[in-house]
Amino acid sequence: ELKVEQNPLFLSMQEGKNYTIYCNYSTTSDRLYWYRQDPGKSLESLFVLLSNGAVKQEGRLMASLDTKARLSTLHITAAVHDLSATYFCAVEYGNEKLTFGTGTRLTIIP
Amino acid sequence: DTEVTQTPKHLVMGMTNKKSLKCEQHMGHRAMYWYKQKAKKPPELMFVYSYEKLSINESVPSRFSPECPNSSLLNLHLHALQPEDSALYLCASSQASVQETQYFGPGTRLLVL
Repeated sequence: ELKVEQNPLFLSMQEGKNYTIYCNYSTTSDRLYWYRQDPGKSLESLFVLLSNGAVKQEGRLMASLDTKARLSTLHITAAVHDLSATYFCAVEYGNEKLTFGTGTRLTIIP
Repeated sequence: DTEVTQTPKHLVMGMTNKKSLKCEQHMGHRAMYWYKQKAKKPPELMFVYSYEKLSINESVPSRFSPECPNSSLLNLHLHALQPEDSALYLCASSQASVQETQYFGPGTRLLVL
């Protein structure tokens, strides 16, 4: 059974600081997704990482994938309040299935 | 149009009621999904339809019955639900399979009394 774990589960950080969210998964997969969810809202796709060494950047967020270590990171640079949300990684396993990580609830403090 | 729509937004039902959730997309996607999300938890896959055929049922109780009338529509029929079924029900779609990005609808927040 595929397990996807994120850490930290909760993260409170000041505006302007940098931080990294980690996503570890237990079985081989070459596709990993990052989603954002605002409270009471649906999921918004952020990044799709399709191969070992893939790196994607959008604004203050950068995601990377190391398939050998079964690890993905989501790095936040110079955080701003608008980035407060819950972030999920999701790993593809067996055709047509996504397993979501535990989620990281990020709060940016002014 | 990159939108997945879901109706209703909110639903309150008793344990003896029958209701349906509806999901619609007009992106030409051929894979559609139902997820269940409890508060402060990640989404959990329930069903996958691929080219209008049910391809995955994640051992969901029979009180949940999915239906895909055509390539744009996905329904979830609810009957004799339990209070623990209260959750946010999310619909998603992707181009052909999970190997494409899934686009999520806004969800239906269900409360079973």
